[in-house]
Amino acid sequence: GNSVTQMEGPVTLSEEAFLTINCTYTATGYPSLFWYVQYPGEGLQLLLKATKADDKGSNKGFEATYRKETTSFHLEKGSVQVSDSAVYFCALSARRGGGNKLTFGTGTQLKVEL
Amino acid sequence: EPEVTQTPSHQVTQMGQEVILRCVPISNHLYFYWYRQILGQKVEFLVSFYNNEISEKSEIFDDQFSVERPDGSNFTLKIRSTKLEDSAMYFCASGTGTPAEQYFGPGTRLTVT
Repeated sequence: GNSVTQMEGPVTLSEEAFLTINCTYTATGYPSLFWYVQYPGEGLQLLLKATKADDKGSNKGFEATYRKETTSFHLEKGSVQVSDSAVYFCALSARRGGGNKLTFGTGTQLKVEL
Repeated sequence: EPEVTQTPSHQVTQMGQEVILRCVPISNHLYFYWYRQILGQKVEFLVSFYNNEISEKSEIFDDQFSVERPDGSNFTLKIRSTKLEDSAMYFCASGTGTPAEQYFGPGTRLTVT
């Protein structure tokens, strides 16, 4: 079956540091890949997506590139802010007709300190 | 910007009671989903719903669970006889199906005592 593996957290960084959160996946076919973010006490927000190999998703300074050869979709940001503190979930959706359930990783908590 | 809404935000119920969690998906979306997140754990898929029927369900979604779209706007999840292990945050999501992203509501925290 499909699965997503994320690096363990928490990840603690100083403001303006470079962020990488690793994500690898196992899936048949050609899944779509997503990063969702969950701020404290809130629901899941779509951060960015990529639907085919070599696509780069980007939003709010975050980027992730769909690497089929390494089955990875690592999240990066060049300079984090305190407001980026949240839990980040990598997810995939298998390409199929209808349904398109999301399979999530375990989430990585990011703490950004001044 | 349209968003998915859920009510109530927090529901406390006794073991064995029935609960209904409500969701209003984004109006032009065709696919509807329920997920749950047990505290500190990953988000798990429960069920997807399209064209007035279940399109996929997980092994978690047993006979105690049911979903319904009673009118053109609401989408509900019913748990017939709650167990302690049903305590979790329940998220509703909706999407157009193409592309595959889904938009989540803020969640309902269900506490079973």
